[in-house]
Amino acid sequence: QITLKESGPTLVKPTQTLTLTCTFSGFSLITSGVGVGWIRQPPGKALDWLALIYWNDGTRYSPSLKSRVAITKDTSKNQVVLTMTNMVPADTATYYCAHILYSSRWGEYFQQWGQGTLVTVSS
Amino acid sequence: SYELTQPPSVSVSPGQTARITCSGDALSKQYGHWYQQKPGQAPVLVIYKDSERPSGIPERFSGSRSGTTVTLTISGVQAEDEADYYCQSADSSGTYVVFGGGTKLTVL
Repeated sequence: QITLKESGPTLVKPTQTLTLTCTFSGFSLITSGVGVGWIRQPPGKALDWLALIYWNDGTRYSPSLKSRVAITKDTSKNQVVLTMTNMVPADTATYYCAHILYSSRWGEYFQQWGQGTLVTVSS
Repeated sequence: SYELTQPPSVSVSPGQTARITCSGDALSKQYGHWYQQKPGQAPVLVIYKDSERPSGIPERFSGSRSGTTVTLTISGVQAEDEADYYCQSADSSGTYVVFGGGTKLTVL
């Protein structure tokens, strides 16, 4: 059974850096075709993809956030970490991590999601 | 930028068939995937690779493709199917992940 759980601060101040950790079980990030992605959802709005990291250390970022976001993995701890710099109130959202299945034939999709964590940006 | 276009809302009566479309030029090259999100819950994958159904998803959920449009069809809609539905794909080069704007399915 695949499970993922997001952890990190629930409140950050403007200009601060957000660090979120995704701790997972039921799969390994050294298995070919596997990845973990981060997606956020502002209150009442649509899903917004942020970043992803693959088993082979490959990473991809949303072009609109590429300058502010970084994603890393620690396979020994079964964790993926997202950092986002220079937070602003518009970054207030529920942040999800999700297990990815990838193939060069079909691309990637998010097979299983964490419960999400609400991050509020406010002074 | 690359976009996927969904209707904001779809309404159907119980037992009827709901069809939710997702359009985008890159869908001619990329697969489409669908997620169901109920209020206060995380999204759940209901269709992947245009028409594949994950285990545990009811058979009334199906997917199809025609040109640059993928469609999620829910046959015999039930009250529990009321939710937001999102399509997901990639840009034509397969570099960036993209979500549609979501469709709110209302069961009358």
